[in-house]
Amino acid sequence: GAGVSQTPSNKVTEKGKYVELRCDPISGHTALYWYRQSLGQGPEFLIYFQGTGAADDSGLPNDRFFAVRPEGSVSTLKIQRTERGDSAVYLCASSPDGLDRYTQYFGPGTRLTVL
Amino acid sequence: AQSVSQHNHHVILSEAASLELGCNYSYGGTVNLFWYVQYPGQHLQLLLKYFSGDPLVKGIKGFEAEFIKSKFSFNLRKPSVQWSDTAEYFCAVNAVNYGQNFVFGPGTRLSVLP
Repeated sequence: GAGVSQTPSNKVTEKGKYVELRCDPISGHTALYWYRQSLGQGPEFLIYFQGTGAADDSGLPNDRFFAVRPEGSVSTLKIQRTERGDSAVYLCASSPDGLDRYTQYFGPGTRLTVL
Repeated sequence: AQSVSQHNHHVILSEAASLELGCNYSYGGTVNLFWYVQYPGQHLQLLLKYFSGDPLVKGIKGFEAEFIKSKFSFNLRKPSVQWSDTAEYFCAVNAVNYGQNFVFGPGTRLSVLP
């Protein structure tokens, strides 16, 4: 079946601009995660949704970052007033309910470059 | 706060050599442990996982990992690597009392020479 998809695959923006990154999880997966991966680092947890609600947003670095999942499927990560330090690959993952709920299925990521 | 360390940044091996990648975590409670792999140009994918029971777990493509609770370690092993194992390997930890918050290590890049 279809995996996790993310759009756009690449985004170049200027410092100070607003960006939105989209994630389409695997159909039926109730949990959705956002991570940020900088060069040479592992994925860094940002936020986790269970259904429509953010169950854990402790990884969001500051109030410029916000994410929504209004209907419990597609999610959008929003970054306001972008800074050069926001440049990274933003990864989305989803997982099902039940015994396999800790297995995350990752998307290809969106590479964000802030000039 | 939880943290995960991976001992080697870059490992270079010849085909048929044995592999062991180290992973240590800092958290005293119950944990779920994972190894993910990212082949060049591909998504992160699960290699194997440990929740409970037998501390030696087997994953895909001949990989296995051993959980040693007293050492807070979850090292990844493969008896004989292939050129196709060239990839980046990430260890990840989920502290059960922290819900579904996962902490990843910095990764180890494995290069297998043909």
